[in-house]
Amino acid sequence: AQSVTQLDSQVPVFEEAPVELRCNYSSSVSVYLFWYVQYPNQGLQLLLKYLSGSTLVKGINGFEAEFNKSQTSFHLRKPSVHISDTAEYFCAVSLPYNDYKLSFGAGTTVTVRA
Amino acid sequence: GAGVSQSPRYKVAKRGQDVALRCDPISGHVSLFWYQQALGQGPEFLTYFQNEAQLDKSGLPSDRFFAERPEGSVSTLKIQRTQQEDSAVYLCASSLELAGGSDEQFFGPGTRLTVL
Repeated sequence: AQSVTQLDSQVPVFEEAPVELRCNYSSSVSVYLFWYVQYPNQGLQLLLKYLSGSTLVKGINGFEAEFNKSQTSFHLRKPSVHISDTAEYFCAVSLPYNDYKLSFGAGTTVTVRA
Repeated sequence: GAGVSQSPRYKVAKRGQDVALRCDPISGHVSLFWYQQALGQGPEFLTYFQNEAQLDKSGLPSDRFFAERPEGSVSTLKIQRTQQEDSAVYLCASSLELAGGSDEQFFGPGTRLTVL
C-alpha cells in the first residue's frame, strides 16, 4: 500500500518570503501525486498534480512542485507568499490502476505573517 | 452555486443515535466519493460511486456505515449507532468523468460530526 508523509505539520512564513512544503511517499509501484489546499471553512482545492512527463509541475496561484523519483519526494514551493496563502496543504498519492482512491498526508498548516 | 454542497455543515449527536449526511455533487458529475477526516489528519477514503453504483466501499470502517446514491446524483452517508470515534469531518467529492485519468475531484466543505 502507498503512504504519504508530510514532514512539517506547521510552517510559519513572512509575507513575500519563499516557502517549501515537503512531501515524501512510499510505494512499490509508480504513483500519481497531488497537492491540495484547504482554506478555512472551505473544501479542498487541487493546486497541481503529477501524472507523468516533466518532473516540474506548475499549478495555480504561483505554486509549483517537483517530482523526484529517486528520493520519492514531491515538494511544493512558492517563491513569494501572500497573506491569502494561509491555509492547510495536503499532499496525496494514488495508484494509476486505482487512481480515484487518494491517500492523503496529515497536512501542513501554513501561516503567513505580515 | 456550482460547487459540491453538503448538509448539515455541523451535526452533534448523542452516542447511539443514527445520523444522515447529505452530499449534492456538481451537476453532471459521474463519480462521487466520501472521505473521513479526523482532527489533525488528512482525509481518508471511505467509498466511491459511479453514477448509482457503489463500486468501492473498502474504506467504510464498520457495518454501521452505509452510503447510497440511488439516482446517481445526491448521496447520503448514514452512520448507525454513532460512537465517539466517529467524530470527524466527512468530506464529499465529485468528478466529471468515470474514475480514471486522475480526473480532478472537487470537494465540498464537509460536515463536522461530533458525537457526545
